[in-house]
Amino acid sequence: AQKITQTQPGMFVQEKEAVTLDCTYDTSDPSYGLFWYKQPSSGEMIFLIYQGSYDQQNATEGRYSLNFQKARKSANLVISASQLGDSAMYFCAMREGTGNTNAGKSTFGDGTTLTVKP
Amino acid sequence: DTAVSQTPKYLVTQMGNDKSIKCEQNLGHDTMYWYKQDSKKFLKIMFSYNNKELIINETVPNRFSPKSPDKAHLNLHINSLELGDSAVYFCASSQDAGGGTEAFFGQGTRLTVV
Repeated sequence: AQKITQTQPGMFVQEKEAVTLDCTYDTSDPSYGLFWYKQPSSGEMIFLIYQGSYDQQNATEGRYSLNFQKARKSANLVISASQLGDSAMYFCAMREGTGNTNAGKSTFGDGTTLTVKP
Repeated sequence: DTAVSQTPKYLVTQMGNDKSIKCEQNLGHDTMYWYKQDSKKFLKIMFSYNNKELIINETVPNRFSPKSPDKAHLNLHINSLELGDSAVYFCASSQDAGGGTEAFFGQGTRLTVV
């Protein structure tokens, strides 16, 4: 069964420091995508970064990077140089399948609330 | 130019009523979704549609009926609303149904059943 696990309900980080948010996943489908989303207190869901199961390199987007360890089935999000505006809930998600011919389920983890301290 | 827009943003209604939430995407995506986020912030997929066809139905009560008149629209109709239906409902879309592209979310509809 498809599953996403985020083991850190809450995390604190000092402004300007780096923080790692953990995510492990479980799937039997060889083709899948891993995603991180940010949900600030205003409620919208903001896409941050994507990693494909066949990607050889770790994904990076500005201050966000994804530490993809396929054998361990982990996809941790690293935020460098934390800012006060990074305080939010962060969700790890996975979707299986390739294109439209092998549509898969979409699953979200329970989320991690990150608080950045000044 | 909102990519995924859903209306209304807030919906307060009494138990037993029927209500609809509308969703539209202007991204040209093939796949659309409905998610439910409960009071503990847990996000669960409810439905996935690909090119107007239902592809995923995650054991949602049949009081919930999605309708996709075309691939740019996916509406959610809820009959006989119950207190437990109170939640934030998110519509989303992605290029296709596989794991190769991210999903873009609407701003959410906060449904409160009293």
